[in-house]
Amino acid sequence: SSELTQDPAVSVALGQTVRITCQGDSLRSYYASWYQQKPGQAPVLVIYGKNNRPSGIPDRFSGSTSGNTASLTITGAQAEDEADYYCNSRDTSGNVVFGGGTQLTVL
Amino acid sequence: QVQLQESGPGLVKPSETLSLTCTVSGGSVSSGSYYWNWIRQPPGKGLEWIGYVYYSGSTNYNPSLKSRVSISLDTSKNQFSLKLSSVTAADTAVYYCATIVAAFYHNSANYGVPFDWWGQGTLVTVSS
Repeated sequence: SSELTQDPAVSVALGQTVRITCQGDSLRSYYASWYQQKPGQAPVLVIYGKNNRPSGIPDRFSGSTSGNTASLTITGAQAEDEADYYCNSRDTSGNVVFGGGTQLTVL
Repeated sequence: QVQLQESGPGLVKPSETLSLTCTVSGGSVSSGSYYWNWIRQPPGKGLEWIGYVYYSGSTNYNPSLKSRVSISLDTSKNQFSLKLSSVTAADTAVYYCATIVAAFYHNSANYGVPFDWWGQGTLVTVSS
């Protein structure tokens, strides 16, 4: 299956650590990428590959993979991290697939 | 740094063809550096990949849209375009153009398929 499954919503207390997960069979072969999307804005890439951050992304964002599950971890969540987070990957045909998204609330 | 700008009609009638253009600056659609993609997001919903075109003209489309989609290059204008035929209200969405670094796509096992540059998006409403 090329589907990616995310929890619809997750919350975290300010300054605490939160993990957002993405499950799918394709993740056994291909890394996930992670995007942050704030209301009315285009998504922004925050993690790709094994654990790579584009320039300008804070180091409190990190990624990992175990089996068919990819995780985005925010260590010391800030108020500005409240957003929707999406994962994506590909299947063996080269088709790209996105997870359904996780709404992160920072309490 | 690549910059992308979507343009096209904001309103399309049902059964007609949606046409959008993405103008590229800071990069060339004629180089093999990127895959040039379209992605959409219905209001209040998640992201859906539509497809891509490569500098060679090769394309790959989301199987769920393949029968209605065409993505092409205009190298003279440094643009790429999307055509989606026989639209319905379900095609109402914000449409984004975005890039994947070709080296990453060719080595997806190590990099995945990260969309690194995005346009600001354009809302297309399908309504009579």
